[in-house]
Amino acid sequence: QSALTQPRSVSGSPGQSVTISCTGTNSDVGRYNYVSWYQQHPGKAPKLIIRDVSQWPSGVPDRFSGSKSGSTASLTISGLQAEDEADYYCCSYAGTYMPYVFGTGTRVTVL
Amino acid sequence: EVQLVQSGAEVKKPGESLKMSCKGSGYNLFNYWLGWVRQAPEKGLEWVAIISPADSNSRVSPSFQGRVTISADQSINTAYLQWSSLQVSDSAIYYCVRRPAVTASPIDYWGHGTLVTVSS
Repeated sequence: QSALTQPRSVSGSPGQSVTISCTGTNSDVGRYNYVSWYQQHPGKAPKLIIRDVSQWPSGVPDRFSGSKSGSTASLTISGLQAEDEADYYCCSYAGTYMPYVFGTGTRVTVL
Repeated sequence: EVQLVQSGAEVKKPGESLKMSCKGSGYNLFNYWLGWVRQAPEKGLEWVAIISPADSNSRVSPSFQGRVTISADQSINTAYLQWSSLQVSDSAIYYCVRRPAVTASPIDYWGHGTLVTVSS
């Protein structure tokens, strides 16, 4: 099972929107509506920010939104803020014996 | 308060074995699985294994089958990850993770990580 493909980096100015893509296959992203997104600040553990393609865990601001089309999922950060500068990873369910396939990770830079 | 308390940092030589632990508290162990995700230096996340402390039902990533064993002690809500023969490429931070005991649930909580260094 190969890692899901994400752009290495994206950037935007405060207040702008950025979108991160996450491309998988018909065995993972394309087959299941179980895509999650994680935010990781330097030196910290990842934090769940989106689950089940587009659902927010408790306490996550709605500036973060998720969607999916075919085998590609996307995370959009609206109203970019300085604290959004971090690494972001997508993750897809790929079956009972491969519950977590992570993306390659994207660094978001706030200009 | 949910806590995942991991064992301390390790320094090992190639070929050596290793057993790390993760103790969960602050939640009902019958409702969650415990497992590990690793992150090599300056690299991405990689799922390793996961287990239900309630009944020891487990899953190991095909990438690590034959090299790792995951086990659990229900009485103390603790999971263990054992490596039979470490390689330099196993050097990474190993995060203990928790996920609800529902099929396809995402990882919802991460521990602080155990740094493992494998070097000759």
